[in-house]
Amino acid sequence: DGGITQSPKYLFRKEGQNVTLSCEQNLNHDAMYWYRQDPGQGLRLIYYSQIVNDFQKGDIAEGYSVSREKKESFPLTVTSAQKNPTAFYLCASSPQGVRGNTIYFGEGSWLTVV
Amino acid sequence: DQQVKQNSPSLSVQEGRISILNCDYTNSMFDYFLWYKKYPAEGPTFLISISSIKDKNEDGRFTVFLNKSAKHLSLHIVPSQPGDSAVYFCAASLPPLVFGAGTILRVKS
Repeated sequence: DGGITQSPKYLFRKEGQNVTLSCEQNLNHDAMYWYRQDPGQGLRLIYYSQIVNDFQKGDIAEGYSVSREKKESFPLTVTSAQKNPTAFYLCASSPQGVRGNTIYFGEGSWLTVV
Repeated sequence: DQQVKQNSPSLSVQEGRISILNCDYTNSMFDYFLWYKKYPAEGPTFLISISSIKDKNEDGRFTVFLNKSAKHLSLHIVPSQPGDSAVYFCAASLPPLVFGAGTILRVKS
């Protein structure tokens, strides 16, 4: 089945630890994105990538890092510098690059700091 | 500075009636607008879109209206069904997509 797979679904992090959220797509999409959802704030863009080995910061990139070594993979690392990391994280991809008008989302990953 | 605003956090509608969800935007450079539907703990799914050169797009029970002069768009669901209960996000393409805060729709049976 084609789609976007995020893992893990639930993740707990201790204060001061880095964690990495995985995102894999087999849709052959060029662009990939990471969004964060907080209650009452909708979806905010963290990072996005139009092509392999290239990515741009979104609105809330501080405390996060990404890599795009393969077309199908776009992992997100939540570093200890991220002051309020507890949130629902959504990975997405689009077929037409960043100018594509429709993006497709994964099922999301819950990150909780304990 | 929020470029896409959904000012109603929630909306409650009786089954069979019309649901109207509203969205305002500030950036006149947006060239495409989309609505996404989201259930708890799931990723959003695409619902309907409209190009900035159009003022209406219809798909079954869902119709999106765009008023460029007012920088306003709305999603109409007719008739509303209990399965429509979800969070609805308005998004605008700059690119990349900029999302509003969402509106929780509850359809009562």
